[in-house]
Amino acid sequence: GESVGLHLPTLSVQEGDNSIINCAYSNSASDYFIWYKQESGKGPQFIIDIRSNMDKRQGQRVTVLLNKTVKHLSLQIAATQPGDSAVYFCAENYNNAGNMLTFGGGTRLMVKP
Amino acid sequence: DGGITQSPKYLFRKEGQNVTLSCEQNLNHDAMYWYRQDPGQGLRLIYYSQIVNDFQKGDIAEGYSVSREKKESFPLTVTSAQKNPTAFYLCASSIVRRGAFTDTQYFGPGTRLTVL
Repeated sequence: GESVGLHLPTLSVQEGDNSIINCAYSNSASDYFIWYKQESGKGPQFIIDIRSNMDKRQGQRVTVLLNKTVKHLSLQIAATQPGDSAVYFCAENYNNAGNMLTFGGGTRLMVKP
Repeated sequence: DGGITQSPKYLFRKEGQNVTLSCEQNLNHDAMYWYRQDPGQGLRLIYYSQIVNDFQKGDIAEGYSVSREKKESFPLTVTSAQKNPTAFYLCASSIVRRGAFTDTQYFGPGTRLTVL
């Protein structure tokens, strides 16, 4: 069935560098996407979201890019810090009426000092 | 202090026992959700509720039950019929918009259930 997935299970970056985490989705009808950060033993924390009528959205040190042509979503983290180390996963909405989300498996970001 | 609370943080269950996980929110959100997360995996939906006294099965509802008697509360019972209940359980809530747009789900801190 259609699903949300991630290209890389683990990403290791140097402190201070920029990080890019990718997510592929296959449901062309999805119109809402969210990035979450999950630290070990904790609940997921909302980072940023984007709707399908946008290509880019910026937050504090984070940017989400949406390429609907190739069904690709990315999360960019500027000046990555040790506190950014966590699992990041994307979610998509496939049913507007039900407010439901489908979650990807996650990418682990490791920041080296 | 607004948000979603889950209790207990850790829970141990003997085989054959039912256990109930608590989820409370004071965000005035209409919708609440229960997910299960296994090590190294994403979230799978167990049950959800968009309004008081109504709830729907998610993708993996077998062996679980819920109730939604109050807007603020959405407890999950893991029954003895759930054959592999050891997992991290996450509760979430969201606004329900009337119209085309989905809204963000906000999560609680989770309950780790271990079957002994």
